[in-house]
Amino acid sequence: EDQVTQSPEALRLQEGESSSLNCSYTVSGLRGLFWYRQDPGKGPEFLFTLYSAGEEKEKERLKATLTKKESFLHITAPKPEDSATYLCAVQANTGFQKLVFGTGTRLLVSP
Amino acid sequence: DSGVTQTPKHLITATGQRVTLRCSPRSGDLSVYWYQQSLDQGLQFLIQYYNGEERAKGNILERFSAQQFPDLHSELNLSSLELGDSALYFCASSFGGIGTEAFFGQGTRLTVV
Repeated sequence: EDQVTQSPEALRLQEGESSSLNCSYTVSGLRGLFWYRQDPGKGPEFLFTLYSAGEEKEKERLKATLTKKESFLHITAPKPEDSATYLCAVQANTGFQKLVFGTGTRLLVSP
Repeated sequence: DSGVTQTPKHLITATGQRVTLRCSPRSGDLSVYWYQQSLDQGLQFLIQYYNGEERAKGNILERFSAQQFPDLHSELNLSSLELGDSALYFCASSFGGIGTEAFFGQGTRLTVV
């Protein structure tokens, strides 16, 4: 069964303090790995899709990387507005498949 | 704004009742997914439709059902509601079913009292 494990569960950073979030996955053939941001009471907001090991994508202070077993979301010089829950999901390459989500990392950036 | 519209935003109902949640996907998207998110829980996949046909089923209770109509909007029907069904219900849509980004609506918060 496809599984996604995210760590840490929660992370508190000072503004400007860079760090990384981890997403480990097991899937029967990876079609894509997705990162989302979710604010409390809101729907997840799409950030990145990664398709193959070695791929990297960047958006503002965020950079996502992918290996054969895990993905990292690097946050460089975070600001308080980056505070949110970051979700990782995988999609298998067998047929029309669902996104399997991890439970997320709650990030709090203090000024 | 993701382009996915869910109605209603909030719903309060009593145990034993039946409710219908509605989702309008982004223009051009053929796939619709339904997810449940309980307090402190991750997003649990319920069901996926692609162009009107059911494509994948997750941990969806027998009391729950869904359908996708010819105009591609989708409805999630929840019946014989229990207190434990209180949760946020999200709809997401994507153009295809494989390796394409899914965009989420703002959710329907269901409270069963």
